[in-house]
Amino acid sequence: NAGVTQTPKFQVLKTGQSMTLQCAQDMNHEYMSWYRQDPGMGLRLIHYSVGAGITDQGEVPNGYNVSRSTTEDFPLRLLSAAPSQTSVYFCASSSTRGAGANVLTFGAGSRLTVL
Amino acid sequence: EDQVTQSPEALRLQEGESSSLNCSYTVSGLRGLFWYRQDPGKGPEFLFTLYSAGEEKEKERLKATLTKKESFLHITAPKPEDSATYLCAVLPRRNTGKLIFGQGTTLQVKP
Repeated sequence: NAGVTQTPKFQVLKTGQSMTLQCAQDMNHEYMSWYRQDPGMGLRLIHYSVGAGITDQGEVPNGYNVSRSTTEDFPLRLLSAAPSQTSVYFCASSSTRGAGANVLTFGAGSRLTVL
Repeated sequence: EDQVTQSPEALRLQEGESSSLNCSYTVSGLRGLFWYRQDPGKGPEFLFTLYSAGEEKEKERLKATLTKKESFLHITAPKPEDSATYLCAVLPRRNTGKLIFGQGTTLQVKP
């Protein structure tokens, strides 16, 4: 049981480049989300999805796009990378029902540096 | 505005020295409060969920409690392997899907 898998683990981009952070879960979770973690700022929600075809904005959505075509995958796209997007990104998923409802399982993180 | 504040930002303890971490929250209706542990270079791992004031949960040396305004994570006789960052998060009743995290408390336990 892999849980939540994020790729890549590390990425260096130049300002203006675009890229996609991949996230996949094998727990059949309805809810998936992307957070960024910066020193002193805690985890901030970027985008989330409560099911295939449904996405919504979190606290810091600007500069990022998401889509949810399947239950398993929730990619995060950086359209035109900026140095302010240098951060560690975490994908997380949870069930929306039962005893484990709203308990997030996190991936290992993707460290992004924008030069 | 929904808000979560954790204190202290950092805490150094000697092995065996018990202490508590604080999570204060302001939210218009609480669906749940969550505690996570995060080791350096890894994603957060779930510890506890608390749903209503007066509720308590325990796991090994950790005990989480909840009031209407704050939660405490009590660490009894900590060991060096308890060193980590502890994160608190709240799920507001009206904003399903938007878990709000505090900044975390980084705990260091020295042998």
